[in-house]
Amino acid sequence: DIVMTQTPLSLSVTPGQPASISCKSSQSLLHSDGKTYLNWYLQKPGQPPQLLIYEVSNRVSGVPDRFSGSGSGTDFTLKISRVEAEDVGVYYCMQSTQLLTFGGGTKVEIK
Amino acid sequence: EVQLVESGGGLVQPGGSLRLSCAASGFTFSSFWMHWVRQVPGKGLMWVSRINNDGSITSYADSVKGRFTISRDNANKVVYLQMNSLRAEDTATYYCARGWGPDTWGQGTLVTVSS
Repeated sequence: DIVMTQTPLSLSVTPGQPASISCKSSQSLLHSDGKTYLNWYLQKPGQPPQLLIYEVSNRVSGVPDRFSGSGSGTDFTLKISRVEAEDVGVYYCMQSTQLLTFGGGTKVEIK
Repeated sequence: EVQLVESGGGLVQPGGSLRLSCAASGFTFSSFWMHWVRQVPGKGLMWVSRINNDGSITSYADSVKGRFTISRDNANKVVYLQMNSLRAEDTATYYCARGWGPDTWGQGTLVTVSS
């Protein structure tokens, strides 16, 4: 099974400042079809997860461009260029190259 | 509007059974893989099971293999999760989600396994 390791566990960010979350997989997420199935989700309190980024770096329609995803192979990063109050919640990375596994989550709070 | 609505959760005794349903609307249901993912209150997300678009391929997490069965009815746009031999550690909110790398999630249904 592919293990997803997210760091840090939590972040406290001043509004307007950047934030970065790392996600590492125990195996390469490059699929035999040439795609890398690594998604990022945000789960706000009391809500289901919402997809932000799919296939490493593709922003979902309607997601602000302050969110960006990058990486390849086993190392991936989600960056928020300027954190806003509405960005609070728990961020999860998830791979679907081989079944599905989620990172442990990163809780983002506002200072 | 794409929508997934789960139902069937509730309180069940250890060793009991429940069948969860997820009703889909607003998209061509038969074109998508579907998943069940669960979340213990206050904890992270755990994938449970998936089924391909025509129901011929299913997969399960090791922790539920042999106890849970996923199925779908494309005519009625519903995906099911039959859960047998339930344990206390199966207590969680169960979400259904659409797509190979899920892009849409339902609101979830809470399953509580307790005597």
